[in-house]
Amino acid sequence: GESVGLHLPTLSVQEGDNSIINCAYSNSASDYFIWYKQESGKGPQFIIDIRSNMDKRQGQRVTVLLNKTVKHLSLQIAATQPGDSAVYFCAENRGYSTLTFGKGTMLLVSP
Amino acid sequence: DAMVIQNPRYQVTQFGKPVTLSCSQTLNHNVMYWYQQKSSQAPKLLFHYYDKDFNNEADTPDNFQSRRPNTSFCFLDIRSPGLGDAAMYLCATSKSGGRDGELFFGEGSRLTVL
Repeated sequence: GESVGLHLPTLSVQEGDNSIINCAYSNSASDYFIWYKQESGKGPQFIIDIRSNMDKRQGQRVTVLLNKTVKHLSLQIAATQPGDSAVYFCAENRGYSTLTFGKGTMLLVSP
Repeated sequence: DAMVIQNPRYQVTQFGKPVTLSCSQTLNHNVMYWYQQKSSQAPKLLFHYYDKDFNNEADTPDNFQSRRPNTSFCFLDIRSPGLGDAAMYLCATSKSGGRDGELFFGEGSRLTVL
């Protein structure tokens, strides 16, 4: 039969807008989360991380927010640029840096 | 400069014909990982080496094996590739004691099974 590929959730923004990418997790014992960026044809690249004893962490143009009550984290990208176009994954560290990746969101930035 | 190098970038094989993918690193990291990433999906951990200690994920098929002859090199062997094994295979490294979660990925090896 015909196979149907999975479709990534997609966020389309205009250059200069702020972007917010969301991620939900299920394990309330999870204590360390990481965001990765994957450009087409490349391996994932570390962006920013956050531990469960924090609810916010900022980097250069990026902010990660963690809401442990509802088991949700988000990645905010300020002044989004075309070079930010990629798939973004949240990941949970299970220990010894063995990561379990979430489903991913494709960010499309138009000029 | 590339720090995690995977070869080949593209591999085409026939159904059932064994394949070996290689990964080398110049970072001297003691942990190396193999992830499988199918189209539009998240990377899925197959196994990892902590130094010489091999750690297999519970749901990794027996068809997948790995070797790490030294710190710098790690190989992924697929003994009898099936159509469902077509994917991007990503090698990554990390430094124990370094920032947890900061894996350094290679560019991947894309496997096609005919």
